[in-house]
Amino acid sequence: AQKVTQAQTEISVVEKEDVTLDCVYETRDTTYYLFWYKQPPSGELVFLIRRNSFDEQNEISGRYSWNFQKSTSSFNFTITASQVVDSAVYFCALNGNTPLVFGKGTRLSVIA
Amino acid sequence: IAGITQAPTSQILAAGRRMTLRCTQDMRHNAMYWYRQDLGLGLRLIHYSNTAGTTGKGEVPDGYSVSRANTDDFPLTLASAVPSQTSVYFCASRPDRAPNYGYTFGSGTRLTVV
Repeated sequence: AQKVTQAQTEISVVEKEDVTLDCVYETRDTTYYLFWYKQPPSGELVFLIRRNSFDEQNEISGRYSWNFQKSTSSFNFTITASQVVDSAVYFCALNGNTPLVFGKGTRLSVIA
Repeated sequence: IAGITQAPTSQILAAGRRMTLRCTQDMRHNAMYWYRQDLGLGLRLIHYSNTAGTTGKGEVPDGYSVSRANTDDFPLTLASAVPSQTSVYFCASRPDRAPNYGYTFGSGTRLTVV
């Protein structure tokens, strides 16, 4: 069975602080993909990144960066210099040979 | 604009009533999915369809049924709604069930069963 654990239910930070959202996954599939989605207060799901199991290179996109470590089954997401617009619920998800499995989400509040 | 259309956007439904949530995509995607989102539980898979004419059960299928008569449409039916089915429902699709394909999500349907 596949499982995604986001241990942090809620995080509050002050604007301009860095914040890391943790994601740990379980799967027996050798080929799989990991995702991060953002859900702003408006409710839609915004795709942020997809990473396949054979690519452990870290990725940076502007203020966002992702650290994929297969050895610890983790795919953590860091926001540098957080902004109020980053306030949202963030979901980590896993797709192997079964449909996408989501973590329970982390609600991030960035306070001005 | 290519994508997924879900209808209605929101609905208040009396318990015991029958309701069909509509999902239509114009991308000719083979695989389609229904998820429900509940506070503190994330998104959980209700039913899925890997191709037209086939369906499968997800993690929380009880009380729901689906059909996939054609490629574009994947309606979700609540035969007799109960308050625990109050949730936000998301439809999703992707070109194929293989893991390398990304997902497209609809905007969601907010359903309240009273």
